[in-house]
Amino acid sequence: NAGVTQTPKFQVLKTGQSMTLQCAQDMNHEYMSWYRQDPGMGLRLIHYSVGAGITDQGEVPNGYNVSRSTTEDFPLRLLSAAPSQTSVYFCASSYAGTNYGYTFGSGTRLTVV
Amino acid sequence: KNEVEQSPQNLTAQEGEFITINCSYSVGISALHWLQQHPGGGIVSLFMLSSGKKKHGRLIATINIQEKHSSLHITASHPRDSAVYICAVRSGGGADGLTFGKGTHLIIQP
Repeated sequence: NAGVTQTPKFQVLKTGQSMTLQCAQDMNHEYMSWYRQDPGMGLRLIHYSVGAGITDQGEVPNGYNVSRSTTEDFPLRLLSAAPSQTSVYFCASSYAGTNYGYTFGSGTRLTVV
Repeated sequence: KNEVEQSPQNLTAQEGEFITINCSYSVGISALHWLQQHPGGGIVSLFMLSSGKKKHGRLIATINIQEKHSSLHITASHPRDSAVYICAVRSGGGADGLTFGKGTHLIIQP
């Protein structure tokens, strides 16, 4: 089915470990973004991309890296995981411009111990 | 930075009741989104508004740009409508992302 695919769905990391959260979409969307969702807070933007080779920081970028080598893929990297990065992560994509809705992935629940 | 406030935070109602969830924001926007999140986490886009009113089934969304306010209405509510409803705004016309409200947790009792 067309949409946004996130992997893994669940992950437990030890402090200091690194990992990559994968996000792929098959709708040829130009815009892709990563959000984190924490209890009692709204979703917050981590990083976003408007096309292959172009990325920028959102509201809470510290501790995360991204790259966009293809239109389809937008991985999120945690270089040295910290307990503060325990959260649920969502990837979303959209066509460029403001007249389009967003498609969200199913989320990755990450626990850093 | 746009501030997005939703009310109420929690709402419990009986099946069949008319439901209203409100969203206000502080800075002019290019678009406002209403999203639904069921227990277990998936987020579904319900509406994208830049003006006026949209209707889909029993759901109606309105926006007043001058007052910086939007409402989501559910008519003839049903237990399957139980979810968290999230308002999100896009402030710029360019590449910036969404700013989200904290959500309204809705429970519809049979």
